[in-house]
Amino acid sequence: NAGVTQTPKFRVLKTGQSMTLLCAQDMNHEYMYWYRQDPGMGLRLIHYSVGEGTTAKGEVPDGYNVSRLKKQNFLLGLESAAPSQTSVYFCASTPRPPRQETQYFGPGTRLLVL
Amino acid sequence: GESVGLHLPTLSVQEGDNSIINCAYSNSASDYFIWYKQESGKGPQFIIDIRSNMDKRQGQRVTVLLNKTVKHLSLQIAATQPGDSAVYFCADMDRGRRALTFGSGTRLQVQP
Repeated sequence: NAGVTQTPKFRVLKTGQSMTLLCAQDMNHEYMYWYRQDPGMGLRLIHYSVGEGTTAKGEVPDGYNVSRLKKQNFLLGLESAAPSQTSVYFCASTPRPPRQETQYFGPGTRLLVL
Repeated sequence: GESVGLHLPTLSVQEGDNSIINCAYSNSASDYFIWYKQESGKGPQFIIDIRSNMDKRQGQRVTVLLNKTVKHLSLQIAATQPGDSAVYFCADMDRGRRALTFGSGTRLQVQP
């Protein structure tokens, strides 16, 4: 049981390049989330998914797209990276709220956009 | 929009002392609250949670207190250890949106 895993762990992009961050969980959780964390700040929700095939916008969705084609995977895409998207990205998952609310986080992906 | 915030950005305590980390939230629709611990280079780790129908919940060395009247949340760590040094985040969940809103974090430094 690996929990929540994220790939890659670290990436450097040039402005305008695209990339996809992968989040995978093996706990059969219904809900999955993508957050970004900037220095000295808390986590801010980008997008989330309440089940396979569904996604919803969070607090800071602009410049990102997501897909949940399989229950265990949640992909975060940057179509045209900007320096403002330099951040640490965390994925999280949770069983079906509201019975179980606790979110389990992955180790993070550090992204640097030059 | 409404957000969760913290009173103190850095807290320094002596090993063995008790620590109290405070948090204020503003969303009156929040009904679930979590404390996370984040060590350098790692993702947030769940510590303890509490629902809005409770005002206190205890864990192994931690206690969370919730005061809904003043929208205040606190985390108490008993007999603080060097391994407790980390950034602590409070977060609340809106009963309608089912997504967490995080505070900016408090860094706890434990002095030997």
